[in-house]
Amino acid sequence: GENVEQHPSTLSVQEGDSAVIKCTYSDSASNYFPWYKQELGKGPQLIIDIRSNVGEKKDQRIAVTLNKTAKHFSLHITETQPEDSAVYFCAARKAAGNKLTFGGGTRVLVKP
Amino acid sequence: DGGITQSPKYLFRKEGQNVTLSCEQNLNHDAMYWYRQDPGQGLRLIYYSQIVNDFQKGDIAEGYSVSREKKESFPLTVTSAQKNPTAFYLCASSAGTVNTEAFFGQGTRLTVV
Repeated sequence: GENVEQHPSTLSVQEGDSAVIKCTYSDSASNYFPWYKQELGKGPQLIIDIRSNVGEKKDQRIAVTLNKTAKHFSLHITETQPEDSAVYFCAARKAAGNKLTFGGGTRVLVKP
Repeated sequence: DGGITQSPKYLFRKEGQNVTLSCEQNLNHDAMYWYRQDPGQGLRLIYYSQIVNDFQKGDIAEGYSVSREKKESFPLTVTSAQKNPTAFYLCASSAGTVNTEAFFGQGTRLTVV
């Protein structure tokens, strides 16, 4: 089955700096890659996603890049703010079926 | 308001007892899922259902059971066979294979006492 690895497990950045989280996946058939943000005691919320026919996608301060050849994708947060502090999860899904496989999560702390 | 609702938010269970976690969605989604989250870890899939009256085991189904009698409801029973049930349980739904965004509920924290 699919295996998704996420790094780093924790990330501390100064407010205003950029944060980058990287994920690798094992199944070349995966074609959908969402990123979720989870605040303490709450369920994850989708913040951005990318499909395999696209190499990069941006939404304001958030961007995701995908390298299908290397089977890795990354989340980039620019101009970080304290409210960006949360746990971020990457995931991958194959074309057939609806199962999402999640990475282990990255705890991001933005220091004011 | 459209969304996915889990109840209760906190649940305490004595060892040896079965307990059922509720998950309801009014998004008209076909697919529903249950995940388990342990402290500092990612989400692991317990069971999922792509359509009413059908469900499949995920990666850690042992000690759990589900039913999908109605499109909007996907309850999860944590049985006494689950050796380590204390965890945060998350329910999610998605429209299907075309629109693949998954929406999550707010979670149920189960503690065995």
